[in-house]
Amino acid sequence: EIVLTQSPATLSLSPGERATLSCRASQSVSSYLAWYQQKPGQALRLLIYDASTRATGIPARFSGSGSGTDFTLSISSLEPEDFAVYYCQQWSNWPPITFGQGTRLEIK
Amino acid sequence: EVQLLESGGGLVQPGGSLRVSCAASGFTFSRYGMNWVRQAPGKGLEWVSSISGSGGSTYYADSVKGRFTISRDNSKNTLYLQMNSLRAEDTAVYFCTRPIFGVVNAFDYWGQGTLVTVSS
Repeated sequence: EIVLTQSPATLSLSPGERATLSCRASQSVSSYLAWYQQKPGQALRLLIYDASTRATGIPARFSGSGSGTDFTLSISSLEPEDFAVYYCQQWSNWPPITFGQGTRLEIK
Repeated sequence: EVQLLESGGGLVQPGGSLRVSCAASGFTFSRYGMNWVRQAPGKGLEWVSSISGSGGSTYYADSVKGRFTISRDNSKNTLYLQMNSLRAEDTAVYFCTRPIFGVVNAFDYWGQGTLVTVSS
């Protein structure tokens, strides 16, 4: 089973700042990696798939990079609505599909 | 507009059974594999099970294998998860998800989830 480790667990930033979230895989997942945003009371939202492709309707301030074992989700200038929990997911070697444990992005 | 609407959650005793459903609309249901993902209270996401578009292929997490059964009725655009021999650790919100394509991929649509609580 491929283990995804996200860091940091919590990130405290202010609106307008740049956020950098990390996801590291225990073995290569090639580019079979996605990022999701979760807010209370809302359906999970796909942000990035295939490591760097923005999903439909996702603002350009969200970007993904990496391949193999190290991946990054960047948010160039934080908007108030971006404060949420973010998960990475891999489907390179399944079953099982696995998710990271999440990064909570909170307002400083 | 794609919509996934789960139902059937509730309180069940340990060892009991429950079936949750997911009504899909806004896309050609039979052309997509479908998945169940769960989230225990205050915890992260855990993949549970996948099924191909035809229903002929199914896949399970080790934690539920032999206890849960995924199925679908393409004439009703509905996905199911039959859960037997339920344990306290199965307590979670169960989400129905659709992959971008194929059976498993990134999941571009998620339902709001249905809460299953296993407790005496």
